[in-house]
Amino acid sequence: GEDVEQSLFLSVREGDSSVINCTYTDSSSTYLYWYKQEPGAGLQLLTYIFSNMDMKQDQRLTVLLNKKDKHLSLRIADTQTGDSAIYFCAEKGGYNKLIFGAGTRLAVHP
Amino acid sequence: DAGVIQSPRHEVTEMGQEVTLRCKPISGHNSLFWYRQTMMRGLELLIYFNNNVPIDDSGMPEDRFSAKMPNASFSTLKIQPSEPRDSAVYFCASSPQGQGYQPQHFGDGTRLSIL
Repeated sequence: GEDVEQSLFLSVREGDSSVINCTYTDSSSTYLYWYKQEPGAGLQLLTYIFSNMDMKQDQRLTVLLNKKDKHLSLRIADTQTGDSAIYFCAEKGGYNKLIFGAGTRLAVHP
Repeated sequence: DAGVIQSPRHEVTEMGQEVTLRCKPISGHNSLFWYRQTMMRGLELLIYFNNNVPIDDSGMPEDRFSAKMPNASFSTLKIQPSEPRDSAVYFCASSPQGQGYQPQHFGDGTRLSIL
């Protein structure tokens, strides 16, 4: 069945890079997404990658996709305190349904 | 562009009362999703609609929960009677229909507390 797994916590020092990892099960997924949730807010689409791509870069964000291993990662360069949030990985299921991971809580400390 | 609009933002009520949560999806979006988020269970998909028709309600926890989408611009999630374990943040999301890049756009959620 469809399943998305993420580690639950990540703590980094301000200015370092953060890498959030995700594994998924559906090899037919065409799009994979990263969402960010700040405290008290809804989920905000951060970035996405199409399944025929290996990498996508968007300013401080780099998404890497390894289709063979069904592994997705989100790298945040020069992590800032404003990046502290929960990050959700999601793969596309049927009827535009998204299968979400449990979310990785990123804590940025000085 | 207006995003997904949910109301109320916060609701506090006593157990046994009926609770109605409302959602206005983004204009032109054909799919609508209701989620519940708690610390214990994370983000759970409750039900989703495609062109106003419920497609899968297997995530609805029990018969006390019901959802409707009378038209393309409005949906409700109702809990009757409410219980303290229903306390959570409820999100509504919408997306365009299609095979390609169709991300879901989330509302700010309704924080529900049942006393």
